Amino acid sequence: QVQLVESGGGLVQPGTSLRLSCVASGFTFATYAFHWVRQAPGKGLEWVAVASDDESKQYYADAVRGRFRISRDNSKNTVYLEMNSLRHEDTAVYFCARDLAPDIFDHWGQGIQVTVSS
Amino acid sequence: SYELTQPPSVLVSPGQTARITCSGDALPKKYAYWYQQKSGQAPVLVIYEDTKRPSGIPERFSGSGSGTMATLTITGAQVEDEADYYCYSIDNSGTLGVFGGGTKLTVL
Repeated sequence: QVQLVESGGGLVQPGTSLRLSCVASGFTFATYAFHWVRQAPGKGLEWVAVASDDESKQYYADAVRGRFRISRDNSKNTVYLEMNSLRHEDTAVYFCARDLAPDIFDHWGQGIQVTVSS
Repeated sequence: SYELTQPPSVLVSPGQTARITCSGDALPKKYAYWYQQKSGQAPVLVIYEDTKRPSGIPERFSGSGSGTMATLTITGAQVEDEADYYCYSIDNSGTLGVFGGGTKLTVL
């Protein structure tokens, strides 16, 4: 069955970096785009970034463009989110999601907590 | 930046019809998608491409769109449908995804 498992979260100080990973299984990883979506405590969902199936296209939300980088390793069935210059407002649960067709998020990971605090 | 606007809350009694709206300037040209999120869980897709229902989603869930507004309708809402519902779409450039602010559905 399709599984997405995020890891790499934790408590970090403002201005530092963190890399999230999302390992996929149960399907042909290289044929799907993947998104990262986050949810701040008590708040709604916020789209963060997307990487196309061949990584030729990456797009970012205004709030993270220039600080975050989405990438993928199709040989490891893994999508990454490298987060730099972290801010308090980046504190959230981060979900990875598979894109079945343009913008259809049909499977999600369980989410991973990122806390930015001094 | 592009925004999708939803009402913060909707309240219905069991068996009534719940309607949740989502407005956005690009919706006449871009599809709307709807996600259900129960407390502490990952979101679940309930409607895609304005009107289509994924397999496994009950028939009481339906979607529609007209102009700058998309609507999620739950016909005969059940207590188990209590959740936060989010619409999602993309901007006119096709590069920026955006979620609406979410609507808390209470079935009481």
